[in-house]
Amino acid sequence: DAKTTQPPSMDCAEGRAANLPCNHSTISGNEYVYWYRQIHSQGPQYIIHGLKNNETNEMASLIITEDRKSSTLILPHATLRDTAVYYCIVRASGGGADGLTFGKGTHLIIQP
Amino acid sequence: GAVVSQHPSRVICKSGTSVKIECRSLDFQATTMFWYRQFPKQSLMLMATSNEGSKATYEQGVEKDKFLINHASLTLSTLTVTSAHPEDSSFYICSASGILRGAREDTFGSGTRLTVV
Repeated sequence: DAKTTQPPSMDCAEGRAANLPCNHSTISGNEYVYWYRQIHSQGPQYIIHGLKNNETNEMASLIITEDRKSSTLILPHATLRDTAVYYCIVRASGGGADGLTFGKGTHLIIQP
Repeated sequence: GAVVSQHPSRVICKSGTSVKIECRSLDFQATTMFWYRQFPKQSLMLMATSNEGSKATYEQGVEKDKFLINHASLTLSTLTVTSAHPEDSSFYICSASGILRGAREDTFGSGTRLTVV
């Protein structure tokens, strides 16, 4: 699976949009971009995934650049409960059964 | 959405004893489950891949005789930490893999905090 690079930490004011960047310059054509987050002392939670089109769900939006070498996760109206470590992971979907490779992620702190 | 239940949420055991952790996929059948370990201030590290009806596959450096994995049904995988020692104290997390929303997704349990005294 391709490697990802994320800033170690970010702050965001409550109520504002949180934009979390991720670089994945070695992503290959069959690899998806997945985002998970881990709130302290809990298991990771799926947020969103995408291949090349921008995606939106009830939690977040995912913007993938045209060359697919980077992406941004957007939490449109951050709340204190969004404070967590956010992991950007690229991996091939469908066949195969490999576990996820977690990097260090971005520790997002939402400030009141 | 998919739900994975993991029990117990925390356990304290004496050095030398064994501890079993259960991971259940509640609303979907998971042919593959994964076990991770997370030490304080570190990221999750994959320990092993658990396949229903066959032997687990362990990552390099993980002792298969110490961390026994059983995946007897499509909804249940267990991890037994045998002869636990204080250095085995960690946060253990399972996940179940399935095709959801058109692509592969991994749903995680809530984790088990193991403390060996």
